Amino acid sequence: DAKTTQPTSMDCAEGRAANLPCNHSTISGNEYVYWYRQIHSQGPQYIIHGLKNNETNEMASLIITEDRKSSTLILPHATLRDTAVYYCIVRVARLAYSGGSNYKLTFGKGTLLTVNP
Amino acid sequence: DSGVTQTPKHLITATGQRVTLRCSPRSGDLSVYWYQQSLDQGLQFLIQYYNGEERAKGNILERFSAQQFPDLHSELNLSSLELGDSALYFCASSPELIDSGNTIYFGEGSWLTVV
Repeated sequence: DAKTTQPTSMDCAEGRAANLPCNHSTISGNEYVYWYRQIHSQGPQYIIHGLKNNETNEMASLIITEDRKSSTLILPHATLRDTAVYYCIVRVARLAYSGGSNYKLTFGKGTLLTVNP
Repeated sequence: DSGVTQTPKHLITATGQRVTLRCSPRSGDLSVYWYQQSLDQGLQFLIQYYNGEERAKGNILERFSAQQFPDLHSELNLSSLELGDSALYFCASSPELIDSGNTIYFGEGSWLTVV
Protein backbone atom coordinates (compact mmCIF):
# COMPACT_ATOMS: atom_id res chain seq x y z
CA ASP A 1 0.00 0.00 0.00
CA ALA A 2 1.18 3.52 -0.76
CA LYS A 3 2.35 5.54 2.19
CA THR A 4 0.53 8.65 3.30
CA THR A 5 1.65 11.80 5.06
CA GLN A 6 -0.64 13.73 7.39
CA PRO A 7 -0.09 16.56 9.85
CA THR A 8 0.28 15.36 13.41
CA SER A 9 -2.43 17.62 14.78
CA MET A 10 -4.92 20.29 13.82
CA ASP A 11 -7.39 22.52 15.62
CA CYS A 12 -10.79 23.66 14.45
CA ALA A 13 -13.47 25.87 15.94
CA GLU A 14 -16.84 24.30 16.56
CA GLY A 15 -19.25 25.00 13.72
CA ARG A 16 -16.50 25.73 11.22
CA ALA A 17 -15.32 23.45 8.44
CA ALA A 18 -12.41 21.16 9.24
CA ASN A 19 -10.10 20.50 6.30
CA LEU A 20 -7.71 17.60 6.84
CA PRO A 21 -4.97 17.18 4.23
CA CYS A 22 -3.23 13.99 3.15
CA ASN A 23 -0.35 13.43 0.77
CA HIS A 24 -0.10 10.11 -1.09
CA SER A 25 2.31 10.86 -3.90
CA THR A 26 3.08 7.18 -4.65
CA ILE A 27 -0.52 6.07 -5.00
CA SER A 28 -1.15 3.45 -7.67
CA GLY A 29 -3.88 3.54 -10.26
CA ASN A 30 -5.92 0.84 -8.55
CA GLU A 31 -5.65 2.27 -5.05
CA TYR A 32 -8.45 4.17 -3.41
CA VAL A 33 -8.12 6.82 -0.71
CA TYR A 34 -9.91 5.82 2.49
CA TRP A 35 -10.56 7.93 5.55
CA TYR A 36 -11.23 6.52 8.99
CA ARG A 37 -11.38 8.15 12.36
CA GLN A 38 -10.90 6.86 15.87
CA ILE A 39 -12.51 8.56 18.80
CA HIS A 40 -10.54 7.82 21.95
CA SER A 41 -10.23 4.05 22.45
CA GLN A 42 -13.23 3.27 20.25
CA GLY A 43 -13.08 1.18 17.10
CA PRO A 44 -11.95 2.95 13.94
CA GLN A 45 -14.96 4.35 12.11
CA TYR A 46 -15.19 4.39 8.33
CA ILE A 47 -15.86 7.87 6.95
CA ILE A 48 -15.51 7.90 3.18
CA HIS A 49 -13.43 6.65 0.28
CA GLY A 50 -12.80 7.63 -3.32
CA LEU A 51 -10.74 6.86 -6.39
CA LYS A 52 -10.42 10.06 -8.40
CA ASN A 53 -13.72 11.86 -8.27
CA ASN A 54 -14.76 13.98 -5.35
CA GLU A 55 -17.11 12.15 -3.00
CA THR A 56 -19.66 13.29 -0.45
CA ASN A 57 -21.72 11.44 2.10
CA GLU A 58 -23.61 12.32 5.24
CA MET A 59 -20.42 12.57 7.26
CA ALA A 60 -17.91 14.33 5.05
CA SER A 61 -16.61 15.29 1.63
CA LEU A 62 -13.46 13.98 0.02
CA ILE A 63 -11.58 16.12 -2.48
CA ILE A 64 -8.90 14.34 -4.51
CA THR A 65 -6.50 16.31 -6.68
CA GLU A 66 -6.43 15.61 -10.38
CA ASP A 67 -3.01 13.95 -10.20
CA ARG A 68 -4.30 11.91 -7.20
CA LYS A 69 -1.20 12.71 -5.19
CA SER A 70 -3.11 14.39 -2.39
CA SER A 71 -6.56 14.67 -0.93
CA THR A 72 -8.52 16.64 1.64
CA LEU A 73 -11.21 15.40 3.98
CA ILE A 74 -13.76 18.08 4.78
CA LEU A 75 -16.05 18.00 7.78
CA PRO A 76 -18.42 20.83 6.86
CA HIS A 77 -19.60 21.83 10.33
CA ALA A 78 -17.31 20.37 12.96
CA THR A 79 -18.74 19.55 16.38
CA LEU A 80 -17.03 18.65 19.63
CA ARG A 81 -17.87 15.00 18.92
CA ASP A 82 -15.66 15.14 15.82
CA THR A 83 -12.56 15.38 18.01
CA ALA A 84 -10.65 12.25 17.02
CA VAL A 85 -7.61 10.87 15.23
CA TYR A 86 -8.25 10.87 11.49
CA TYR A 87 -6.45 8.34 9.31
CA CYS A 88 -5.88 8.65 5.58
CA ILE A 89 -5.14 5.27 4.00
CA VAL A 90 -4.64 4.15 0.42
CA ARG A 91 -5.77 0.65 -0.38
CA VAL A 92 -6.96 -1.49 -3.22
CA ALA A 93 -10.75 -1.61 -3.14
CA ARG A 94 -11.79 -3.21 -6.40
CA LEU A 95 -10.43 -6.68 -5.95
CA ALA A 96 -8.83 -8.78 -8.63
CA TYR A 97 -9.60 -11.93 -6.65
CA SER A 98 -11.47 -12.69 -3.47
CA GLY A 99 -9.90 -12.37 -0.07
CA GLY A 100 -6.44 -11.49 -1.26
CA SER A 101 -3.51 -10.71 0.96
CA ASN A 102 -3.02 -7.10 -0.09
CA TYR A 103 -6.33 -5.69 1.02
CA LYS A 104 -5.69 -4.97 4.66
CA LEU A 105 -5.69 -1.41 5.97
CA THR A 106 -2.30 -0.12 7.04
CA PHE A 107 -2.70 2.67 9.58
CA GLY A 108 -0.19 5.45 10.03
CA LYS A 109 -0.18 7.88 12.93
CA GLY A 110 -3.03 9.99 11.58
CA THR A 111 -4.03 13.55 12.45
CA LEU A 112 -5.40 14.42 15.85
CA LEU A 113 -8.21 16.87 15.16
CA THR A 114 -9.29 18.86 18.18
CA VAL A 115 -12.54 20.76 17.83
CA ASN A 116 -12.67 23.66 20.26
CA PRO A 117 -15.83 25.32 21.62
CA ASP B 1 -23.01 0.32 15.26
CA SER B 2 -20.70 -1.25 12.67
CA GLY B 3 -22.29 -4.68 12.90
CA VAL B 4 -19.05 -6.29 14.05
CA THR B 5 -19.39 -7.78 17.53
CA GLN B 6 -16.48 -8.47 19.84
CA THR B 7 -16.47 -10.23 23.20
CA PRO B 8 -15.43 -9.76 25.89
CA LYS B 9 -15.25 -5.98 26.03
CA HIS B 10 -12.86 -6.02 28.97
CA LEU B 11 -10.60 -8.74 30.29
CA ILE B 12 -8.04 -8.78 33.09
CA THR B 13 -5.74 -11.73 33.41
CA ALA B 14 -2.40 -12.69 34.90
CA THR B 15 0.92 -13.16 33.17
CA GLY B 16 1.41 -16.62 31.75
CA GLN B 17 -2.28 -17.18 31.20
CA ARG B 18 -4.19 -17.78 27.98
CA VAL B 19 -7.24 -15.91 26.72
CA THR B 20 -9.56 -16.14 23.74
CA LEU B 21 -11.12 -13.13 22.07
CA ARG B 22 -14.17 -13.66 19.93
CA CYS B 23 -15.44 -11.79 16.89
CA SER B 24 -18.67 -12.03 14.94
CA PRO B 25 -18.34 -10.30 11.58
CA ARG B 26 -21.06 -8.34 9.83
CA SER B 27 -23.67 -10.52 8.22
CA GLY B 28 -22.36 -11.81 4.92
CA ASP B 29 -18.78 -10.63 5.37
CA LEU B 30 -16.27 -13.33 4.50
CA SER B 31 -13.05 -11.67 5.66
CA VAL B 32 -12.04 -11.05 9.24
CA TYR B 33 -9.06 -8.97 10.30
CA TRP B 34 -7.45 -8.68 13.72
CA TYR B 35 -5.56 -5.58 14.87
CA GLN B 36 -3.70 -4.71 18.06
CA GLN B 37 -3.44 -1.22 19.52
CA SER B 38 -1.23 -0.65 22.53
CA LEU B 39 -0.57 2.67 24.26
CA ASP B 40 2.74 3.29 22.56
CA GLN B 41 1.91 1.77 19.21
CA GLY B 42 -0.59 2.59 16.54
CA LEU B 43 -3.01 0.14 15.03
CA GLN B 44 -0.99 -2.91 14.09
CA PHE B 45 -2.35 -5.52 11.70
CA LEU B 46 -2.09 -9.03 13.08
CA ILE B 47 -3.81 -11.46 10.76
CA GLN B 48 -6.56 -11.88 8.15
CA TYR B 49 -8.84 -14.81 7.47
CA TYR B 50 -11.03 -15.24 4.43
CA ASN B 51 -13.80 -17.82 4.45
CA GLY B 52 -11.96 -19.98 6.95
CA GLU B 53 -8.49 -19.72 5.48
CA GLU B 54 -5.57 -17.60 6.61
CA ARG B 55 -4.82 -15.04 3.91
CA ALA B 56 -2.39 -12.53 5.37
CA LYS B 57 -0.15 -12.31 8.37
CA GLY B 58 1.22 -9.18 9.94
CA ASN B 59 3.08 -8.55 13.17
CA ILE B 60 1.55 -11.47 15.03
CA LEU B 61 3.61 -13.17 17.72
CA GLU B 62 4.06 -16.93 17.71
CA ARG B 63 2.24 -17.03 21.06
CA PHE B 64 -0.84 -15.72 19.29
CA SER B 65 -3.04 -17.66 16.93
CA ALA B 66 -6.37 -17.21 15.25
CA GLN B 67 -8.96 -19.15 13.36
CA GLN B 68 -12.17 -18.57 11.48
CA PHE B 69 -14.96 -21.08 11.84
CA PRO B 70 -17.49 -22.32 9.26
CA ASP B 71 -20.08 -19.86 10.57
CA LEU B 72 -17.45 -17.14 9.85
CA HIS B 73 -16.93 -16.03 13.42
CA SER B 74 -13.30 -15.77 14.45
CA GLU B 75 -11.29 -16.25 17.59
CA LEU B 76 -7.92 -14.79 18.52
CA ASN B 77 -6.03 -16.90 21.04
CA LEU B 78 -3.33 -15.24 23.12
CA SER B 79 -1.15 -17.51 25.25
CA SER B 80 1.75 -17.18 27.70
CA LEU B 81 0.61 -13.65 28.23
CA GLU B 82 3.10 -10.94 29.11
CA LEU B 83 2.57 -7.47 30.51
CA GLY B 84 3.35 -6.02 27.09
CA ASP B 85 0.37 -7.81 25.58
CA SER B 86 -1.94 -5.41 27.37
CA ALA B 87 -3.72 -3.64 24.54
CA LEU B 88 -6.94 -3.06 22.66
CA TYR B 89 -7.63 -5.82 20.18
CA PHE B 90 -9.89 -4.95 17.28
CA CYS B 91 -11.66 -7.22 14.90
CA ALA B 92 -12.82 -5.97 11.53
CA SER B 93 -14.73 -7.51 8.66
CA SER B 94 -15.27 -6.97 4.97
CA PRO B 95 -17.18 -8.76 2.21
CA GLU B 96 -14.06 -9.02 0.00
CA LEU B 97 -15.98 -9.97 -3.07
CA ILE B 98 -14.54 -9.42 -6.50
CA ASP B 99 -15.46 -6.10 -8.03
CA SER B 100 -17.66 -4.89 -5.22
CA GLY B 101 -17.40 -2.38 -2.40
CA ASN B 102 -14.97 -3.69 0.13
CA THR B 103 -14.98 -1.27 2.99
CA ILE B 104 -13.60 -2.71 6.21
CA TYR B 105 -15.72 -2.16 9.33
CA PHE B 106 -14.34 -2.41 12.86
CA GLY B 107 -15.78 -3.65 16.10
CA GLU B 108 -15.49 -1.76 19.36
CA GLY B 109 -12.56 -3.80 20.55
CA SER B 110 -11.59 -5.99 23.48
CA TRP B 111 -9.55 -4.36 26.23
CA LEU B 112 -6.97 -6.82 27.55
CA THR B 113 -5.08 -6.01 30.71
CA VAL B 114 -2.33 -8.38 31.80
CA VAL B 115 -1.26 -8.00 35.44
